[in-house]
Amino acid sequence: IAGITQAPTSQILAAGRRMTLRCTQDMRHNAMYWYRQDLGLGLRLIHYSNTAGTTGKGEVPDGYSVSRANTDDFPLTLASAVPSQTSVYFCASSDRAGAAETQYFGPGTRLLVL
Amino acid sequence: GQNIDQPTEMTATEGAIVQINCTYQTSGFNGLFWYQQHAGEAPTFLSYNVLDGLEEKGRFSSFLSRSKGYSYLLLKELQMKDSASYLCAVLNSGYALNFGKGTSLLVTP
Repeated sequence: IAGITQAPTSQILAAGRRMTLRCTQDMRHNAMYWYRQDLGLGLRLIHYSNTAGTTGKGEVPDGYSVSRANTDDFPLTLASAVPSQTSVYFCASSDRAGAAETQYFGPGTRLLVL
Repeated sequence: GQNIDQPTEMTATEGAIVQINCTYQTSGFNGLFWYQQHAGEAPTFLSYNVLDGLEEKGRFSSFLSRSKGYSYLLLKELQMKDSASYLCAVLNSGYALNFGKGTSLLVTP
């Protein structure tokens, strides 16, 4: 079934550790996004990529980095996790950037930083 | 700046009609999306409006007034499975999607 997969489903992480959240889509979408969702704050954009080889910063990029080596994969890395990064992380993709395209979301990764 | 407001919670009865409002002030406008999100799951696309008026899709309809910075999602013939959060999101001038905090809808028997 076509769509977006994320791994891991959930993770408990010690503060200070490095962690990479994985995201893969098989829809050949050009644009990909990472959001975090926190109670009372809604979905906030962390980083995005309009096409393979390019990335950009969203609303809350500090403490996170991304790469887009190919069309399908868009990993999100926490270099040194802090408790405030405890959240649910959603990856999304859309067919084109810079257009009114629907974004499709992966199932999410639930991260707890202790 | 971006400001998207929607009620935090609503309750409605099975079989009834409910209207979830969303008001927005954003830097530019390229359309408004509604997403549904069940607890513990990913948001899923419901509707998109870019022109003023009503878009109907089965039991769900979405309305937009660009001059008023206002939209609503109308759910008819409510079912228990409609209990979920409903997210209003505006596509700004840079084609970034800005989300409201969501409205948690509880459908009761």
